[in-house]
Amino acid sequence: KQEVTQIPAALSVPEGENLVLNCSFTDSAIYNLQWFRQDPGKGLTSLLLIQSSQREQTSGRLNASLDKSSGRSTLYIAASQPGDSATYLCAVKAGANSKLTFGKGITLSVRP
Amino acid sequence: NAGVTQTPKFQVLKTGQSMTLQCAQDMNHEYMSWYRQDPGMGLRLIHYSVGAGITDQGEVPNGYNVSRSTTEDFPLRLLSAAPSQTSVYFCASSYRRTSGGEEQFFGPGTRLTVL
Repeated sequence: KQEVTQIPAALSVPEGENLVLNCSFTDSAIYNLQWFRQDPGKGLTSLLLIQSSQREQTSGRLNASLDKSSGRSTLYIAASQPGDSATYLCAVKAGANSKLTFGKGITLSVRP
Repeated sequence: NAGVTQTPKFQVLKTGQSMTLQCAQDMNHEYMSWYRQDPGMGLRLIHYSVGAGITDQGEVPNGYNVSRSTTEDFPLRLLSAAPSQTSVYFCASSYRRTSGGEEQFFGPGTRLTVL
């Protein structure tokens, strides 16, 4: 059974800092991994999708990497801003017909 | 595109009442899902559908029914509400990219309280 872990549960950084959010998963046989952002009281917004055959994806100040052999993905946020404050979740899809397994998220606070 | 829409945004029920949470998507996605999100439990899959007329159970299906008569709509019905069903409910839709991978998109959620 695939398990997804995100540690720490919360993180506070000063504005302007480059930061890395970690996601680990137990079964390296995955179909894809997706990073989401969730603002308080809102739904999940898709940030990046990494297919099994890919090593990384980039969108603006965000870069997500995937290392299947070690069961890890990282979300790199460059030059963090207060507007980046939110909960970031990663989710792993084990196979084409499998469900998405979510981590519990990392709540990020960027201090002005 | 409106994306994934959900109604209502908030709902309060009494124990034993029934209701339907509405979900619609205008992206012509094949796959649709219902999740509930609870503090400390994360997101858990209730039911999902791989196309019109096809539904299946997720991790926590008890107390919920779904149907999918059209590609666009995927309503979730609570048969007899219980306090344990107090939660935030999210509907999602997804599609398989021709280049590989399946990207999932979420609605804004329905916050349900059962008294």
